[in-house]
Amino acid sequence: KNQVEQSPQSLIILEGKNCTLQCNYTVSPFSNLRWYKQDTGRGPVSLTIMTFSENTKSNGRYTATLDADTKQSSLHITASQLSDSASYICVVSAPTSGTYKYIFGTGTRLKVLA
Amino acid sequence: SQTIHQWPATLVQPVGSPLSLECTVEGTSNPNLYWYRQAAGRGLQLLFYSVGIGQISSEVPQNLSASRPQDRQFILSSKKLLLSDSGFYLCAWRWEGRTDSYEQYFGPGTRLTVT
Repeated sequence: KNQVEQSPQSLIILEGKNCTLQCNYTVSPFSNLRWYKQDTGRGPVSLTIMTFSENTKSNGRYTATLDADTKQSSLHITASQLSDSASYICVVSAPTSGTYKYIFGTGTRLKVLA
Repeated sequence: SQTIHQWPATLVQPVGSPLSLECTVEGTSNPNLYWYRQAAGRGLQLLFYSVGIGQISSEVPQNLSASRPQDRQFILSSKKLLLSDSGFYLCAWRWEGRTDSYEQYFGPGTRLTVT
């Protein structure tokens, strides 16, 4: 069964600190892995996208890593800001019938405190 | 530029009533379209996707249905709502094509509460 699991479920950190979120997946065949940020009551917004051949991808203070052998990914947030408070969702895509399906993890809810 | 619209933004419906949520995309043609549901505290669950007019694929058996009467219009429906249908419904689009490098763009969502 195609699944994407994330940990921790929730995380509280102080402003300025770093944190790392984890994602494990069992999706096959695998196409790309994305990390999204979702503010409460809004649609998700893409942060990074990686193919199976990429090990790392950065977007400002966000750095994603991917180990396709162990089927694990992480999202590292550097020097956190209050605006980083959101849910972070790992999404794995798989090819299907002329398009791609997206399997979403349950997300990690991050709260950054002043 | 491309824009995706969803309405209504919020909806409160009694159990057993019908449902119709609409999603439209502007500024593109023949997009791939998706309906997702996010229950409280849960991840997004893919409900339906469409690669063209009249072409609907269902991911999860349920009392919901989807239709794509026009190229850039995607409708989510139900004849009789259940309490378990409550959630945050998101429509998304991506450029058509066989490459997975395209991003998926989400609409603002509809929050449905079934009472």
